[in-house]
Amino acid sequence: SQQGEEDPQALSIQEGENATMNCSYKTSINNLQWYRQNSGRGLVHLILIRSNEREKHSGRLRVTLDTSKKSSSLLITASRAADTASYFCATDRGSTLGRLYFGRGTQLTVWP
Amino acid sequence: DADVTQTPRNRITKTGKRIMLECSQTKGHDRMYWYRQDPGLGLRLIYYSFDVKDINKGEISDGYSVSRQAQAKFSLSLESAIPNQTALYFCATSAMGISTDTQYFGPGTRLTVL
Repeated sequence: SQQGEEDPQALSIQEGENATMNCSYKTSINNLQWYRQNSGRGLVHLILIRSNEREKHSGRLRVTLDTSKKSSSLLITASRAADTASYFCATDRGSTLGRLYFGRGTQLTVWP
Repeated sequence: DADVTQTPRNRITKTGKRIMLECSQTKGHDRMYWYRQDPGLGLRLIYYSFDVKDINKGEISDGYSVSRQAQAKFSLSLESAIPNQTALYFCATSAMGISTDTQYFGPGTRLTVL
């Protein structure tokens, strides 16, 4: 069964705008990860945030984690057309065994 | 060269045929995974392996089998393909560690079962 649930399912914005995607989950976690998938291609890891972290940055990406609300957000600032992709969150459900549980993803479209 | 490769990249087959999808990696990772992706359903884990002698079922293993021939190779077989196994299949790897680590994905195999 799915662990993360991304919201919204689809997001359409203009270049230069910020894009915010949310992920909710149901169990305790050790860490939460965000991945990106260009159409029909393999997923690419973007960022990992541990359960004891509240915010993490990587370039134009900002991820927050609120373990009390079991939610995370991914903010992409100053979006570009090349950011058009699907974005997935994944959690480990508190296990250290290496399995990840993915959500259904948010499809982001950035118009030039 | 890509760190995780999958062959074939596309395959069209008929119901009842046996199909093998292959995955190779040069990352030196111990952990390997097979996922399937269907539109609107995200990724679902089929099988995973933490070393050559270790095979574990995922969420949707029925109708599939796997073989870990070496640290670098992990194959997925559909013994008798059926149309609802039409999907995009991904292999992934990760390092063995004390916590769940980043996974590295192959480019995918698009399988169509007629």
